[in-house]
Amino acid sequence: AQSVAQPEDQVNVAEGNPLTVKCTYSVSGNPYLFWYVQYPNRGLQFLLKYITGDNLVKGSYGFEAEFNKSQTSFHLKKPSALVSDSALYFCAVYGNNRLAFGKGNQVVVIP
Amino acid sequence: NAGVTQTPKFQVLKTGQSMTLQCAQDMNHNSMYWYRQDPGMGLRLIYYSASEGTTDKGEVPNGYNVSRLNKREFSLRLESAAPSQTSVYFCASSEWFGTPRAGELFFGEGSRLTVL
Repeated sequence: AQSVAQPEDQVNVAEGNPLTVKCTYSVSGNPYLFWYVQYPNRGLQFLLKYITGDNLVKGSYGFEAEFNKSQTSFHLKKPSALVSDSALYFCAVYGNNRLAFGKGNQVVVIP
Repeated sequence: NAGVTQTPKFQVLKTGQSMTLQCAQDMNHNSMYWYRQDPGMGLRLIYYSASEGTTDKGEVPNGYNVSRLNKREFSLRLESAAPSQTSVYFCASSEWFGTPRAGELFFGEGSRLTVL
């Protein structure tokens, strides 16, 4: 079965610094990978996805993600973090008509 | 455009009571899902409905039942609530698998359930 792992529980970063949230995946066949964000007391929102094509995928709010097949990774990145980026971030993999989510990473951007 | 609407937003139950969480979407999506979110566990799929008239178990279906009432509505029922079902429940919808936007889920705001 497909799965994703997010090895860090929390990522702290200073405002203006680059932000990276890590995700590794395990799938049979071609991976369909996603990132979602959750702000406090809200539902999840779609950020970006990788289906095929370029390994660097651009999404909403200035986020991008890099697909690396040899390392089975799909890390989320943002060149310059904002305080408003503080949220819970989920990596997910799609297969068999469903999304399987990782445990989530709490991102704290320090002013 | 309301998107995905869940009711109720909050509910407190006693052990053994039953209740139904309601979900409706107005995006004409074929697929609908129920997830639960628990601290440190991420989101776990309870049940999903790939299309109207079908339902399937997810990772954690025990203690739950679902009904896909029509294309818009997908309800989740707890027949005899247990403290282990204390959680935040999210309904989501998406286009059908095989379409370009499959996997792009739209979530409701969540229903916070406490079972005493």
